[in-house]
Amino acid sequence: DGGITQSPKYLFRKEGQNVTLSCEQNLNHDAMYWYRQDPGQGLRLIYYSQIVNDFQKGDIAEGYSVSREKKESFPLTVTSAQKNPTAFYLCASTPRAYQRILNTEAFFGQGTRLTVV
Amino acid sequence: DAKTTQPNSMESNEEEPVHLPCNHSTISGTDYIHWYRQLPSQGPEYVIHGLTSNVNNRMASLAIAEDRKSSTLILHRATLRDAAVYYCILRDPNSGNTPLVFGKGTRLSVIA
Repeated sequence: DGGITQSPKYLFRKEGQNVTLSCEQNLNHDAMYWYRQDPGQGLRLIYYSQIVNDFQKGDIAEGYSVSREKKESFPLTVTSAQKNPTAFYLCASTPRAYQRILNTEAFFGQGTRLTVV
Repeated sequence: DAKTTQPNSMESNEEEPVHLPCNHSTISGTDYIHWYRQLPSQGPEYVIHGLTSNVNNRMASLAIAEDRKSSTLILHRATLRDAAVYYCILRDPNSGNTPLVFGKGTRLSVIA
């Protein structure tokens, strides 16, 4: 079945270390997104990519980096510059714009819970 | 995307209908109204969307006010599995793949 997969589900990191979260989709979606969610809060946008080899900063991009070398993959690196990285990270994807009127909108992964120890 | 306003929390008894309101007074003529829900410790999932007419699917119904400044997500018989945060989001399909903007949503509690 088509879907969007995030790994790992739980991740522990020591302070000062970089860590990369994986996001893969087999939905043939063009756009992919990374969100961060803190307890009791809504989702905040970190980065998004509308096409391969291109991406844009979201509202809270500082301390994060991304790449989009393949359509199916959009990994997120949490760098040591991110001051408070402990959070729930969600990856999402959407199809081409003209399909979205008829089809369902965004598909989300199950998330990665990152804890800094 | 235009802003939406939802109550922070709501409570319902199991097997009773639930009406989740959303205000969007600055909605534009081309904005679709989308609802997503997020079960505990999971990613959000699409529920329903509409433009002007009321919509029904297997998960829920969406009632849209005539002036489109508000809408209501209706769960016909709440179950314990419906306990989640429900997000109301406006999307203009002509805006390209711009990201979904999430507010804090409404946390629905279902009582057995």
